[in-house]
Amino acid sequence: AQTVTQSQPEMSVQEAETVTLSCTYDTSESNYYLFWYKQPPSRQMILVIRQEAYKQQNATENRFSVNFQKAAKSFSLKISDSQLGDTAMYFCASREVQGAQKLVFGQGTRLTINP
Amino acid sequence: GAGVSQSPRYKVAKRGQDVALRCDPISGHVSLFWYQQALGQGPEFLTYFQNEAQLDKSGLPSDRFFAERPEGSVSTLKIQRTQQEDSAVYLCASSLENRGLAGTDTQYFGPGTRLTVL
Repeated sequence: AQTVTQSQPEMSVQEAETVTLSCTYDTSESNYYLFWYKQPPSRQMILVIRQEAYKQQNATENRFSVNFQKAAKSFSLKISDSQLGDTAMYFCASREVQGAQKLVFGQGTRLTINP
Repeated sequence: GAGVSQSPRYKVAKRGQDVALRCDPISGHVSLFWYQQALGQGPEFLTYFQNEAQLDKSGLPSDRFFAERPEGSVSTLKIQRTQQEDSAVYLCASSLENRGLAGTDTQYFGPGTRLTVL
């Protein structure tokens, strides 16, 4: 079974700063996907970034990038030049490639960007 | 195009009542998922459909929970004899799931139905 752990319940930074959200996971699978989802106060979950475990190169999407450390089973999200609209709950999630299609989520990190 | 929609957005039920939650996935999406999100927690998987077939219902917490997708599009999650511990936001997600195309397994979420059981 896959498990995902986010150890930072809340974080707060000033606008334009860089912030890193931590995530560790455990799986017995050799291939899997990892995701970061954003859930703003309106509650609609939005995909921020995804990483295929077989790819060594870290995924990037504009101001969002990940630091994927497969051996350490770590998958952190870095948000550069943070904006007020980045305020949200952020969830780390994993999914098997071949088996179950379900997403397994961490507990979430509440990120607040202050003006 | 339209995203995933869910109705009602809010539902208040008295303990013991039956409720039905509806999900309209993105048109053409093959896969549909239901998740339960307790207050302050991450979503937890309930069940998964591929077209009309329910391929995984391992997350349904009890036999009071039942889901269906009879025509492979709209899905309904039914909870019988609701209990206070059923209070949560119920999220629906869909994905295109075309295995020939990269990224088509991305799950798109609806806004959720907040269920409060009194």
